[in-house]
Amino acid sequence: QVQLQQSGPGLVKPSQTLSLTCAISGDNVSNNSATWNWIRLSPSRGLEWLGRTYHRSKWYSDYAVSVKSRITINPDTSKNQFSLQLNSVTPEDTAVYFCARDTFVLFERLYYYYGMDVWGQGTAVTVSS
Amino acid sequence: EIVLTQSPGTLSFSAGETATLSCRASQSVSSIYLAWYQQKPGQAPRLLIYGTSSRATGVPDRFSGSLSGTDFTLTITRLEPEDFAFYYCQHYGSSCSFGQGTKLEIK
Repeated sequence: QVQLQQSGPGLVKPSQTLSLTCAISGDNVSNNSATWNWIRLSPSRGLEWLGRTYHRSKWYSDYAVSVKSRITINPDTSKNQFSLQLNSVTPEDTAVYFCARDTFVLFERLYYYYGMDVWGQGTAVTVSS
Repeated sequence: EIVLTQSPGTLSFSAGETATLSCRASQSVSSIYLAWYQQKPGQAPRLLIYGTSSRATGVPDRFSGSLSGTDFTLTITRLEPEDFAFYYCQHYGSSCSFGQGTKLEIK
């Protein structure tokens, strides 16, 4: 059974960096049929995808346009986890942050999408001085 | 970037009724990359539907997904008390996006 365990602080000061980690059990961050995502939930914006990292012969990371200048998502193969860093935070970044796994199945040279089937427990992050 | 628009923002139904939720993409998207999620307060989202119409493991057959023209639809028949929640559609592509959500509330 695949599980994602999140860790990181729940309070970050404005202008500082939000850092969260998602530890994977039952799967591998290097799995070529998965991507590893960070998503946040807030009352004002609902679910917002922030970005992902994945391995397809080499490592890739993709980011949402809304946070592209401030975000880094990195894999850590030695610990089988991935991390989120969001710089220069403001109160608008207050939200519940989730990590999640996407899975795919290759069939007749096409990758079929099986959705975000495993989620972390969520971390409530408040940006406040 | 693909924008998903869900309608309506809120739906009110009684238990036992049928609810239909809509999700429209700002441009043509492949149906194999459209998913639906249920989200309840204090919980992580739960995958319901992937590939427009395939149910995820353990999802009751009261939940079904379809595509009509450019509108993706989630239908929930025989509503039960635990079905009242937020629902989001999601598209996977070079970037991911979620709709803004539909709140399904008890009438």
